[in-house]
Amino acid sequence: SSELTQDPAVSVALGQTVRITCQGDSLRSYYANWYQQKPGQAPVLVIYGKNNRPSGIPDRFSGSSSGNTASLTITGAQAEDEADYYCSSRDSSGNHVVFGGGTTLTVL
Amino acid sequence: EVQLVESGGGLVKPGGSLRLSCAASGFTFSGYSMNWVRQAPGKGLEWVSSISSSSSYIYYADSVKGRLTISRDNAKNSLYLQMNSLRVEDTAVYYCARVGREYDILTAHYCYYMDVWGKGTTVTVSS
Repeated sequence: SSELTQDPAVSVALGQTVRITCQGDSLRSYYANWYQQKPGQAPVLVIYGKNNRPSGIPDRFSGSSSGNTASLTITGAQAEDEADYYCSSRDSSGNHVVFGGGTTLTVL
Repeated sequence: EVQLVESGGGLVKPGGSLRLSCAASGFTFSGYSMNWVRQAPGKGLEWVSSISSSSSYIYYADSVKGRLTISRDNAKNSLYLQMNSLRVEDTAVYYCARVGREYDILTAHYCYYMDVWGKGTTVTVSS
């Protein structure tokens, strides 16, 4: 299967820790990448590979993976972290990109 | 500054055609694979197509295969998406994105990721 499944919505209290998950068979072979998208803006890469952060991404963002599940963890969520988060990986052929349906994160 | 700027979007009737462009600057364009990704109004991200640095490898999502054609001109630092036989369901914001890659020793795979995105161009297919 080439599908990636995410919870549609997650909420977290300001300053607390939240985990956003992504499930799919392809995650057994390929790492997930994570993108943050705020309303009206282009997506931004926040985590790629095993657990790598691009320059400029705060270290409160981290990634992990186990079996068919990848996770994005935000430790000490801030108001500016409120956004849609998309996981992405490869399909079984390795040639096509697949995205999860996205998770809307609300910071309370 | 590393930058991608899309252009060419607009309103087109079903069955019509459109050509999107993506101008790259601030990096060695010829050294990177590139992707097109789209987002329909109120929906999630959908990968459309990929092209390798020398155009040797090209891939399409099943939803656009045979209708959309990706290409690039490394001399002009530009990426293109020729869109033919457009459908209402092709209405979306279209983003171009640079593909970075890193080899992972543990999985013996390359990890590919989209590390630079343009702001997008809007395509509306409507009668």
